[in-house]
Amino acid sequence: QITVKESGPMLVQATQTLTLTCTFSGFSLNTDGVAVAWIRQPPGKALEWLAHIYWDDDKRYSPSLKDRLTITKDTSKNEVVLRMTNMDPMDTATYFCAAAISFWFDPWGPGTLVTVSS
Amino acid sequence: DIVMTQSPATLSVSPGERATLSCRASQSVGSNLAWYQQKPGQAPRLLIYAASSRSTLIPARFSASGSGTEFTLTITSLQSEDFALYFCHQYSNWPQTFGQGTKLEI
Repeated sequence: QITVKESGPMLVQATQTLTLTCTFSGFSLNTDGVAVAWIRQPPGKALEWLAHIYWDDDKRYSPSLKDRLTITKDTSKNEVVLRMTNMDPMDTATYFCAAAISFWFDPWGPGTLVTVSS
Repeated sequence: DIVMTQSPATLSVSPGERATLSCRASQSVGSNLAWYQQKPGQAPRLLIYAASSRSTLIPARFSASGSGTEFTLTITSLQSEDFALYFCHQYSNWPQTFGQGTKLEI
């Protein structure tokens, strides 16, 4: 059974850096083709894809956020970390990580609500 | 970026009836499309991948079709637990993008 779960601060101050960790089980990020993705959802709004990291350390970022995002993996810990710099109140959202064993997202973590205070 | 447009934004249907949700891509995504269901306070759940393949444990009343730029999710014989928010997602091109969602309400 595959599970993923996000962890990190619920509140960050504007201009600070947000660090979120995705901890997963039931699959390996050493397996050919496997990836983990981060997606966010502002309150009452649509989903926005942020970043992907692949088994071979290939990384993809949202062009609109590319300069602020860094995604890394630690396969020994089954963790993927997302860092987002220069946080703004507009970045207030629920942040999800999801397994991308194939090309779609399944399953998703429960999400973590991050509020950015000015 | 590929823009995914879902319609309608809100769909009001009675239990037991059929709901048809649409998703249109601004350019062809082939069959590289997924549908997710999201209930309040919960994470999205995969319903459909590759445009028409049902995910594990998804009831047969959920079906989907389409390719290229036009896609449809159909839910027959609506149950109370089906009233939720539905998103489409294209994974054909970077950046991957989502539709803005269709709220299915009673």
